[in-house]
Amino acid sequence: AQSVTQLGSHVSVSEGALVLLRCNYSSSVPPYLFWYVQYPNQGLQLLLKYTSAATLVKGINGFEAEFKKSETSFHLTKPSAHMRDAAEYFCAVSPSGNTGKLIFGQGTTLQVKP
Amino acid sequence: ETGVTQTPRHLVMGMTNKKSLKCEQHLGHNAMYWYKQSAKKPLELMFVYSLEERVENNSVPSRFSPECPNSSHLFLHLHTLQPEDSALYLCASSQGSAAGEGYTFGSGTRLTVV
Repeated sequence: AQSVTQLGSHVSVSEGALVLLRCNYSSSVPPYLFWYVQYPNQGLQLLLKYTSAATLVKGINGFEAEFKKSETSFHLTKPSAHMRDAAEYFCAVSPSGNTGKLIFGQGTTLQVKP
Repeated sequence: ETGVTQTPRHLVMGMTNKKSLKCEQHLGHNAMYWYKQSAKKPLELMFVYSLEERVENNSVPSRFSPECPNSSHLFLHLHTLQPEDSALYLCASSQGSAAGEGYTFGSGTRLTVV
């Protein structure tokens, strides 16, 4: 069975500081991994995805994530936070070669302080 | 229009009312999904349609009734709802078994049951 755990339901950083949102997965088969962002009163928007190509994946808005099989992790980072990055972030896993069913983590709210 | 469109954006209904949520996708996808997002709770997958057939129903109460008349449209019919059904209802679509593509989400319908 596949599952996703996001460590920390709430992360607070200062503007310009490093953003690190943690995601660990459990999968019995090679996974596909995703990060989504949700701004207030909006749906989820795809930030980036890992589909077994390069382990370092770059996404939109300056975010990137690194797939580490040995650590079963897919942490999301951004070198310098901006106020507009304040949102909720979801990590998701899908078993490769299966249907498009995604399993989502609980979400992490990112607060950016001026 | 592009992407996934949900209407209405906001809905307030009494417990004895009947209403419907609508989702339309313009991406040529062949799978569509309904999710429920409640405060402080993970995303809950409600229904999955693939090629217009319901392939998953995650123990959702019968007061929620989905309908998928074609691959571009998905409805969620609501009747005799309870206050705990108040939530953000998200529609998503994907290209069937291509798990690596992830989902495209609509902006959601904010439902309040009074």
